[in-house]
Amino acid sequence: KNEVEQSPQNLTAQEGEFITINCSYSVGISALHWLQQHPGGGIVSLFMLSSGKKKHGRLIATINIQEKHSSLHITASHPRDSAVYICAVGEGGSQGNLIFGKGTKLSVKP
Amino acid sequence: GAGVSQSPRYKVAKRGQDVALRCDPISGHVSLFWYQQALGQGPEFLTYFQNEAQLDKSGLPSDRFFAERPEGSVSTLKIQRTQQEDSAVYLCASSLAHPLAILGNEQFFGPGTRLTVL
Repeated sequence: KNEVEQSPQNLTAQEGEFITINCSYSVGISALHWLQQHPGGGIVSLFMLSSGKKKHGRLIATINIQEKHSSLHITASHPRDSAVYICAVGEGGSQGNLIFGKGTKLSVKP
Repeated sequence: GAGVSQSPRYKVAKRGQDVALRCDPISGHVSLFWYQQALGQGPEFLTYFQNEAQLDKSGLPSDRFFAERPEGSVSTLKIQRTQQEDSAVYLCASSLAHPLAILGNEQFFGPGTRLTVL
C-alpha cells in the first residue's frame, strides 16, 4: 500500500471551474506539502502545512490531521494552472526527506 | 535570487557509461536531498546530506549510485555503468533549517536532470 495516495490521477476541467485534488496518507507526519510540477520537470512548492488551512491567491490547502487527509482547491481555474500537482509528506521524526504521491495531472481547457 | 540549479538539464548515455549529475543548492542551505522520478511517477528519495555529511543513503537503488557533497554546498550524484532502468528525472532539493525543526522545512527544488540511457 502506498503511504501517500492522491485522487484523481487525471483531471480535466473547463476554465473557471472549481477544482479539488485529494491526498490521503498513512504515516505520522511533521508536515504535508503541496507541489506543482510543470512539463520539463521543475517543481515549485505551493504550500507546507501541518494543521488547518492556508490560502494563496486562488489556491487553498486544507489538512485534517485526525483523518490523515488533505485537499488542494483551485478557484476560478485557468489554463495556466495546467500542471501535475503532487502531495508529499514529511514523516514525523524523520530527517526531512519527503514521501511523494504519484501526482494528479490537471488540464484546464479554455 | 538564485534558486537551486542542476546540470546538465538533459543527459543521454549509452548503457554502461558513467554519468555525473550536479546540484547547486541555495547558498546557506544545510539540507540537500536527491530524488529519482520515473516517468509518470512521483519522486522517490535517494539520499540526504546535512552539510557535507551524507546521513541517509537508504534510497540509493544499487551500489552503482554514489553521491557526495564534499564542502557542504555543491553535490554530485554519480551513476556508474548506467542501465536502462536508470532512465529518470533526477531532482535535487535543498532546505534552510535544521531537519529536526518541529514542522519540517520547505524544500526548494531544482529543475531536474532528465537522464536517458540507451
